[in-house]
Amino acid sequence: SQTIHQWPATLVQPVGSPLSLECTVEGTSNPNLYWYRQAAGRGLQLLFYSVGIGQISSEVPQNLSASRPQDRQFILSSKKLLLSDSGFYLCAWKRPDTDINEQFFGPGTRLTVL
Amino acid sequence: ILNVEQSPQSLHVQEGDSTNFTCSFPSSNFYALHWYRWETAKSPEALFVMTLNGDEKKKGRISATLNTKEGYSYLYIKGSQPEDSATYLCAFKSDSNYQLIWGAGTKLIIKP
Repeated sequence: SQTIHQWPATLVQPVGSPLSLECTVEGTSNPNLYWYRQAAGRGLQLLFYSVGIGQISSEVPQNLSASRPQDRQFILSSKKLLLSDSGFYLCAWKRPDTDINEQFFGPGTRLTVL
Repeated sequence: ILNVEQSPQSLHVQEGDSTNFTCSFPSSNFYALHWYRWETAKSPEALFVMTLNGDEKKKGRISATLNTKEGYSYLYIKGSQPEDSATYLCAFKSDSNYQLIWGAGTKLIIKP
């Protein structure tokens, strides 16, 4: 069976500090990987999308970046956090074979930037 | 800009009562409509994927309908139970974009 891990679960960081959130998937190969953010009272906003190692599509111009150094590892980073980066970050994966497959979500990271 | 609206934003329902809520999405370039349930302290979990106009899906006491021509989907819960308390999210996929466009969710609270 497949599992998806995210860490840390919660994070409090000062403005201007760096960020690294990690997501790993087990039990599947070549998954499509996603980073989402949910700001308070809003829907899930797609930040980054990856179909393979080193392949990253960015949906929203911002101070965040993503990398996929291994097939089942997806990392969300920032060099300098802004107050507006606060939110709940979710990693998700999907089987790549069809467009309508459901996405499977990790437990999420609650980020507070002070 | 594609927009997905869910209403109401939140809903309090007495245990045992039935309820329903709405997801509105663009009526053009439809490809699929997803429903997810997101319980507190857990990850969102898929309920249904709907692709055809007139689709009706059912899982236990929960069912969903789809009208792609007018751009809406209803989620129904029959005989609400405390474990139904969650935020219900819908997500729209067009045939011209790979990403899902998510609604803000309907937060359902079941009162015992």
